[in-house]
Amino acid sequence: KQEVTQIPAALSVPEGENLVLNCSFTDSAIYNLQWFRQDPGKGLTSLLLIQSSQREQTSGRLNASLDKSSGRSTLYIAASQPGDSATYLCAPSGNTPLVFGKGTRLSVIA
Amino acid sequence: EAGVAQSPRYKIIEKRQSVAFWCNPISGHATLYWYQQILGQGPKLLIQFQNNGVVDDSQLPKDRFSAERLKGVDSTLKIQPAKLEDSAVYLCASSLTDNAYEQYFGPGTRLTVT
Repeated sequence: KQEVTQIPAALSVPEGENLVLNCSFTDSAIYNLQWFRQDPGKGLTSLLLIQSSQREQTSGRLNASLDKSSGRSTLYIAASQPGDSATYLCAPSGNTPLVFGKGTRLSVIA
Repeated sequence: EAGVAQSPRYKIIEKRQSVAFWCNPISGHATLYWYQQILGQGPKLLIQFQNNGVVDDSQLPKDRFSAERLKGVDSTLKIQPAKLEDSAVYLCASSLTDNAYEQYFGPGTRLTVT
């Protein structure tokens, strides 16, 4: 059974800092891994999808890496902005659909 | 391209009442998912449809929850009777074919059971 852990659970940083969010999963037999953003009271917005054959994926200030063999993924956010404040969720997908961690709640202070 | 649509956005009911949620996936997406997200937790899969057939409903509390996807497009999720612990956000998602494809989420329905 896939289990997903996200560290840290919460993070507060000043505007402009680069930061890394960590995600670990127990079953490496995955098709892909998605990173999502969730604003309070809202649904999930897909940020990046990394296929199992890929090592990393980039979109703007976001870069996600995947090490399938060790069951780890990281989301790197460059030059953080107050608008980046949200909860970030990672979810690998394999024979079982997306299994989510509890997320990392990010606050970027202006 | 229109996204995943859900309604209602909010619902407040008393325990033991029934409630239904509706989802319209992205056009052409064969797979539809319902998730339950309790406050402070990540979403948990309740049921997965491929066209109008059920692929996975192992985490659906079948004594009170039911779901259907008629004609392989829209879907409804029903709770009858509701319990206090059913208070959560119910999220619908769709993907092109199966778990290997990106999932797109709707805005969710926030259910409060009093």
